[in-house]
Amino acid sequence: AQKITQTQPGMFVQEKEAVTLDCTYDTSDPSYGLFWYKQPSSGEMIFLIYQGSYDQQNATEGRYSLNFQKARKSANLVISASQLGDSAMYFCAMRGRTSGSRLTFGEGTQLTVNP
Amino acid sequence: DAGVIQSPRHEVTEMGQEVTLRCKPISGHNSLFWYRQTMMRGLELLIYFNNNVPIDDSGMPEDRFSAKMPNASFSTLKIQPSEPRDSAVYFCASSLFEFAVGGYRVYETQYFGPGTRLLVL
Repeated sequence: AQKITQTQPGMFVQEKEAVTLDCTYDTSDPSYGLFWYKQPSSGEMIFLIYQGSYDQQNATEGRYSLNFQKARKSANLVISASQLGDSAMYFCAMRGRTSGSRLTFGEGTQLTVNP
Repeated sequence: DAGVIQSPRHEVTEMGQEVTLRCKPISGHNSLFWYRQTMMRGLELLIYFNNNVPIDDSGMPEDRFSAKMPNASFSTLKIQPSEPRDSAVYFCASSLFEFAVGGYRVYETQYFGPGTRLLVL
């Protein structure tokens, strides 16, 4: 079984500052993938970034980066230079070899960017 | 490029009525997923298809729910009869499933549609 834990129900950040959203996971799969999605108030789910468990480097996509610490089983999302449009719910998710194509989601973190 | 297309975007119906949700995956994708999102249960996978074949339907809540994928470009999720507890946002997602190369598995990204907000009165 796989489990994703997002311990921050809500986070606040000032515009232009960086923010880290926490994600820890639990799996017995030796091979897995980690994903972050953004869900703004309009409701759509937007893919942000992906990290494979065997990737040597931390994933980056523009202002998004993933702080992957395999030994600690954490995959924190870092958003640099926050913008007002970053205000949204953020979900961490994972898939493992034994889970087929099934994605396991965390409960989400609601990020609010203040002007 | 067109993303995943879902229709309708909003649906309000009365208890007992049949509801059909539709999804068109991204062209070229061969995996399709149906999710349900509620405040109480978060995001739940209902069923997914690989190459139009249902692979895992263990998340389908009960016999009132059924899903089909008659071809690579279309899928439906049907609820008959609908109940108030079915009220939720239903997402369709698609991805390109590829077999492992050299023993290294790349986990393909699932791209979500805009969702259908269903309200059953």
